[in-house]
Amino acid sequence: QKEVEQDPGPLSVPEGAIVSLNCTYSNSAFQYFMWYRQYSRKGPELLMYTYSSGNKEDGRFTAQVDKSSKYISLFIRDSQPSDSATYLCAMSLEYGNKLVFGAGTILRVKS
Amino acid sequence: DTGVSQDPRHKITKRGQNVTFRCDPISEHNRLYWYRQTLGQGPEFLTYFQNEAQLEKSRLLSDRFSAERPKGSFSTLEIQRTEQGDSAMYLCASSPPSSHSTEAFFGQGTRLTVV
Repeated sequence: QKEVEQDPGPLSVPEGAIVSLNCTYSNSAFQYFMWYRQYSRKGPELLMYTYSSGNKEDGRFTAQVDKSSKYISLFIRDSQPSDSATYLCAMSLEYGNKLVFGAGTILRVKS
Repeated sequence: DTGVSQDPRHKITKRGQNVTFRCDPISEHNRLYWYRQTLGQGPEFLTYFQNEAQLEKSRLLSDRFSAERPKGSFSTLEIQRTEQGDSAMYLCASSPPSSHSTEAFFGQGTRLTVV
């Protein structure tokens, strides 16, 4: 069993939809949680970063962490075709520590 | 461009040859990481430097792999006697000292194809 589980999709939604992306993890010691967006043949781009439990909002993006359930989510409001990419969740035990990634979810937003 | 820079972007090599990749981190970032990503998977950790010290190496990093970060600036990753299974995207990331923030920023990667 992988430390971080993420549904690979693909997830296909119409433009303007609310998108929900999720990851579960097994190591309760993870403290830092991140979401990266990766376009084809490009490096991952940091979208959201959260420490411990709680919510964080940045524009159309909201990240949620539920440490009691070992579950993290990324919500994208008013999705756009330009949001079409692979979304990777990542987490680490402490600052500066290596990141453990999920496999990534492919998102397709249709215009 | 002030982001993480990787060179080359693409490398095709014959099995058995040695290859070396370079990573230039964001200025003043003291932490530097190497990851490997294969198709349909998330990046997997290979190794990590704080300044010039290599602090952690993954079990994925066989004896054919070696990484250096002389003077705590750029880093190189060398693969000796390449195998077809080494074909992947090699990603470099850097992060600043802990007093600033905790995010890791990635470069565009070096795509290696071993034929």
